[in-house]
Amino acid sequence: DSGVTQTPKHLITATGQRVTLRCSPRSGDLSVYWYQQSLDQGLQFLIQYYNGEERAKGNILERFSAQQFPDLHSELNLSSLELGDSALYFCASSAGLAGGTYEQYFGPGTRLTVT
Amino acid sequence: DAKTTQPTSMDCAEGRAANLPCNHSTISGNEYVYWYRQIHSQGPQYIIHGLKNNETNEMASLIITEDRKSSTLILPHATLRDTAVYYCIVEGNTPLVFGKGTRLSVIA
Repeated sequence: DSGVTQTPKHLITATGQRVTLRCSPRSGDLSVYWYQQSLDQGLQFLIQYYNGEERAKGNILERFSAQQFPDLHSELNLSSLELGDSALYFCASSAGLAGGTYEQYFGPGTRLTVT
Repeated sequence: DAKTTQPTSMDCAEGRAANLPCNHSTISGNEYVYWYRQIHSQGPQYIIHGLKNNETNEMASLIITEDRKSSTLILPHATLRDTAVYYCIVEGNTPLVFGKGTRLSVIA
């Protein structure tokens, strides 16, 4: 158990819909990261927040957005869903900013299926 | 970020040491070498990291060459539960970039 929790575990929804994925980081961790893992793309970094502020952006679509709240939990919002958005979405947390000595701890993921 | 090269797959007999190599010839001075693994579709799991010196923890050992252009992750006594995809990542000041990793199969 990494200490990172994600809800829901599974999500099935239709194209065009909007969903929200939730992540609670390990106690005391200030950084939260979101990753997408699909069969043909591998693990892709989406976005990072540090203490409520966006710090880095990866290959995140404009239809996707995220935020980190004062209690440090984070939400990833996916809208206008397409079949290609079906994937595993992982959240990770670390004590500090990326780089150097801060290893990341990953949650169990949310499996999103768009039909 | 420096790129890494890993073998696509490896086999290891149960109880033997698993040595997973990684090349990172373009690594820069302030970049760390990290190893993570992913068992089936679970979240990736942090294993170990290092900058210049060899490192050891309860899971594994990390051997980094003196020129820092390559490293080896050693699982001293592999078990069936170590079957996973192992990712070698060089991290500077940007978030993790996962490659395809090495698929390690531990065989009974």
